[in-house]
Parts: sequence; C-alpha cells; structure tokens
Amino acid sequence: DVQLVESGGGLVKPGGSLRLSCVASAFRFEVYGMNWVRQAPGKGLEWVAHISGPGAPIYYADSVKGRFTVSRDNAKRSLYLQMNNLRGEDTATYYCAKGVLDLWGRGTLVNVSS
Amino acid sequence: QAGLTQPPSVSKGLRQTATFTCTGNSNNVGNQGALWLRQRQGHPPKLLSDRENSRPSNISERLSASRSGNTATLTISELQAEDEADYYCSAWDSNLSAWLFGGGTKLTVL
Repeated sequence: DVQLVESGGGLVKPGGSLRLSCVASAFRFEVYGMNWVRQAPGKGLEWVAHISGPGAPIYYADSVKGRFTVSRDNAKRSLYLQMNNLRGEDTATYYCAKGVLDLWGRGTLVNVSS
Repeated sequence: QAGLTQPPSVSKGLRQTATFTCTGNSNNVGNQGALWLRQRQGHPPKLLSDRENSRPSNISERLSASRSGNTATLTISELQAEDEADYYCSAWDSNLSAWLFGGGTKLTVL
C-alpha cells in the first residue's frame, strides 16, 4: 500500500531535542518533495518544513527556523526532522506529507513539558 | 507567515449543500491554486481536491472545487452525517516559499 509512517515522538523537556522519522512505501520517494506539518492539540494545521526530492532546496516556517532541520535519505525512503531547543509551543502531532500534500501519515505526538 | 482565511464553522441539514470558502492573495491562491483537505476527529488529514480542482478517484462526486481570483471554494452536495469534519484549504505561497493553511472550517450536519 502507498503509505507514510512516522515515528520518534515522545515526551521531552523544554530545551531538549528529538528526531522524527517518516518511512515511505509503494511510491517513487526520491522524485517527490516532502513536508512536515504539525497540529497542536485542538488547533489547526501548521506547515513546518519542505525538502525537495534531491534534498535541496529546503524551506522552513519562521517559527522553527534555526531550531529544526529537515533531511532525507532516498536510499532508505526516509524523511527526518531533527528538532532542537524544543519549546512548549512545539507540542503537537507531527505529520509527514508527500508532495503537494496528497498523502499523509498518521502522525507522531511530540509533548514538550517539564 | 500569515495564513489563508476560512470561516470557522458551517452548519447545514442532511441532503443540503455546504459551501466552504478560502481567501488568500495573488502570491498563493491566486496564482498557485488551493487544495482542500478533510480531517475527521482522531484521523490525519486527507486530500479531497488538488490545486487543479481535481478529486482523487476515491473521493465522492458530491464534492467539487473551484477558484475565482484569490478565493477558492469547496462545495459538498447531498450532505450526509459522515461529512461532519474539519475542512482545511492550503496553498503554496510563491513569495514566502511556504505552504499556507486556512484555520479550518468545522462542518456540522444537522
């Protein structure tokens, strides 16, 4: 089946770090740009980052620029999000989404709390 | 980054027609088009209509999308209870190099 599966979420203290992963199945991962989108509890969707198929260009939302780093390994069909200096407002379910947002994973929950 | 504008809620009766609007500007909706997503409670978003206003094959023909200038519209006819969900629009902003989302519209089917 065509799908995306995220992992790596959890509870982390403010100022801490976390690395999220997203594994793709059953489509040509390397030709598609990929995105991270998050959703705080009870709130709307917020785009976080985009990485093109070859790995560049890369774009970030202002709210995470300088703290988060998106990367990919096309050989492993995997997308990553390294999150550093985490804040309470980063608490959200993080989704990976393919290309023009036409396929979404089920998400992984990140909880930033002391 | 500023978002797209959607009304927060829409309420309609069974078998009625619901219309959702999404307003942006010439850097996003106006020249890139908008896509529409549905999110049911406890589930991830799902694409309903792409930036060319085309539906994926598994989406009901009761849904249709269009755009006029900087405003995109999603219409759902013959409303059913299963249509209750949050509906989001999104567009790529060519000036910001960012995906923008609307705040979402909650549909209640009475």
